[in-house]
Amino acid sequence: QSALTQPPSASGSPGQSVTISCTGTSSDVGGYNYVSWYQQHPGKAPKLMIYEVSKRPSGVPDRFSGSKSGNTASLTVSGLQAEDEADYYCSSYAGSNNFFVFGTGTKVTVL
Amino acid sequence: QVQLQESGPGLVKPSETLSLTCTVSGYSISSGYYWGWIRQPPGKGLEWIGSIYHSGSTYYNPSLKSRVTISVDTSKNQFSLKLSSVTAADTAVYYCARDDDSSGYFDYWGQGTLVTVSS
Repeated sequence: QSALTQPPSASGSPGQSVTISCTGTSSDVGGYNYVSWYQQHPGKAPKLMIYEVSKRPSGVPDRFSGSKSGNTASLTVSGLQAEDEADYYCSSYAGSNNFFVFGTGTKVTVL
Repeated sequence: QVQLQESGPGLVKPSETLSLTCTVSGYSISSGYYWGWIRQPPGKGLEWIGSIYHSGSTYYNPSLKSRVTISVDTSKNQFSLKLSSVTAADTAVYYCARDDDSSGYFDYWGQGTLVTVSS
């Protein structure tokens, strides 16, 4: 099972929006509405930001939003803030043989 | 508040078995959810290793399945990972996390522990 494809980097100025893509196949992203997104600051554990494509856990700002179209999921961070600078990983359920697959990760830089 | 804490040796010799334990507090493993292990080689991305239910039911990453065993001890509210025949490629930060099996996400994570494979 190959990792989901994400752009290595993305950037934006404070207050702007940045969108990160996560491309898989019909066997994972396209086949299930079980895409999640994680934020990871250096030296820290990942933090769940989005689950089931577009749902936010309690405490996650509504500046973070998720969507999906076909085999590609997206995470949008609106109103960028300095603390949003981090690595972001997508993940998808991949069926009863492969179960979970993570994305390659995207480093978001706030300019 | 659910908290997870990994523990175990930080250095393992090649060909030996890596063993880690995750202690859960603030939630009883017996109450539900799956509990999983994820690893991250230095400077690289995340890789799911496997998950276990309190009943002992497990599911593993097919690429690691032949070397992985995950077990649970509900009396201690712990679950454990064993990875056999390790090589330098198994050097990574190992995380334990709560696995919402019904929707495929990990909502609570431990802080992670670095395991280095070296002689």
